[in-house]
Amino acid sequence: KQEVTQIPAALSVPEGENLVLNCSFTDSAIYNLQWFRQDPGKGLTSLLLIQSSQREQTSGRLNASLDKSSGRSTLYIAASQPGDSATYLCAVKGSGNTPLVFGKGTRLSVIA
Amino acid sequence: GAVVSQHPSRVICKSGTSVKIECRSLDFQATTMFWYRQFPKQSLMLMATSNEGSKATYEQGVEKDKFLINHASLTLSTLTVTSAHPEDSSFYICSADGQGKNIQYFGAGTRLSVL
Repeated sequence: KQEVTQIPAALSVPEGENLVLNCSFTDSAIYNLQWFRQDPGKGLTSLLLIQSSQREQTSGRLNASLDKSSGRSTLYIAASQPGDSATYLCAVKGSGNTPLVFGKGTRLSVIA
Repeated sequence: GAVVSQHPSRVICKSGTSVKIECRSLDFQATTMFWYRQFPKQSLMLMATSNEGSKATYEQGVEKDKFLINHASLTLSTLTVTSAHPEDSSFYICSADGQGKNIQYFGAGTRLSVL
């Protein structure tokens, strides 16, 4: 059974710092991996989707990498801003009509 | 991109009542939809997989008679929380599998509060 782990569970950084969020998964037979943002009491915002054949995806200040064979992904946030404060969720998908399996998330606080 | 509409966004009800949550794929057909539940400060946990025209598949520990799922068309799945109790208070969120794309599109979620 696929398990997704995110480290750290919570992170507080001063504004302007670059930071890395980690995600690991136990079954490397994934179809894709996705990073989401969730604001308190809100739904999910998809940030980046990496297909299993890809190594990384970039969007603005965000860069996500994927090492499928080792079961790891990282989300890099450059020049963090207070508006980046949220919970970041990593989720992996197997092939076919299978659901996403989520990690518990990293709660990020960026202090002005 | 594909849009999934979930309604209502917030519901407050008395203990013992039933609540229906709708999940619609607006611009694509979804043979498979998923229902997740999220308790405060926890991650999303899959409750059930809803397949159009067939019975839903429930995850271990999820009562199928309490959480009724109907997926009668390719664009609509409903989750009914029957005889809701305070412990059912949670954030419920649905997703739809874009046909052939292996990408899930999420609704905005429904926050259920049972008094």
